[in-house]
Amino acid sequence: DVKVTQSSRYLVKRTGEKVFLECVQDMDHENMFWYRQDPGLGLRLIYFSYDVKMKEKGDIPEGYSVSREKKERFSLILESASTNQTSMYLCASTPLVSNSEQYFGPGTRLTVT
Amino acid sequence: AQKVTQAQTEISVVEKEDVTLDCVYETRDTTYYLFWYKQPPSGELVFLIRRNSFDEQNEISGRYSWNFQKSTSSFNFTITASQVVDSAVYFCALSEASSGGYQKVTFGIGTKLQVIP
Repeated sequence: DVKVTQSSRYLVKRTGEKVFLECVQDMDHENMFWYRQDPGLGLRLIYFSYDVKMKEKGDIPEGYSVSREKKERFSLILESASTNQTSMYLCASTPLVSNSEQYFGPGTRLTVT
Repeated sequence: AQKVTQAQTEISVVEKEDVTLDCVYETRDTTYYLFWYKQPPSGELVFLIRRNSFDEQNEISGRYSWNFQKSTSSFNFTITASQVVDSAVYFCALSEASSGGYQKVTFGIGTKLQVIP
């Protein structure tokens, strides 16, 4: 069974802290994505990566960075967490074949206080 | 620019009723893909269906059916004889092929369906 896992389901951090969200997929997918989900806004793409060490900005990259050192792992980094980054964060992956459906992890609900 | 509109933010139905979730999309591409995903309370989005722009055949899978109409740019999803387990947030999404090979996916804001026993 295909799997995308995220390091935490729930996370509470303080304003100004550096936050790491980890995502791992076991399907040997080339593409990986980070979204945030907010009520009334749906899913918005933060960053994506189509290969190791490659990354591209999505629609809302401000305040975030990413790292992809290995094919199976894609990390989202909040350099200095702020309260407006309180959200549900979803990781997804797809194979290189275009227009494939995305495989999602269970999400991390981050609260910044 | 591509856009997906799910005008129904929340719907409540009584169990066994039929319910249709609307999805209207905008795109300038002639080649594109449409998707539906289900997000149960557990949080993980689950893929339901993909339809390409050249295939307007409707599809039925058990109690689920999808109606794709290019003339109205709609890709509606119907659940027949709804069940409590259908309670979830449903997302419609649009994918266009990009020159770089990665397809940009635009999601609608989701429709929260509550099925009341």
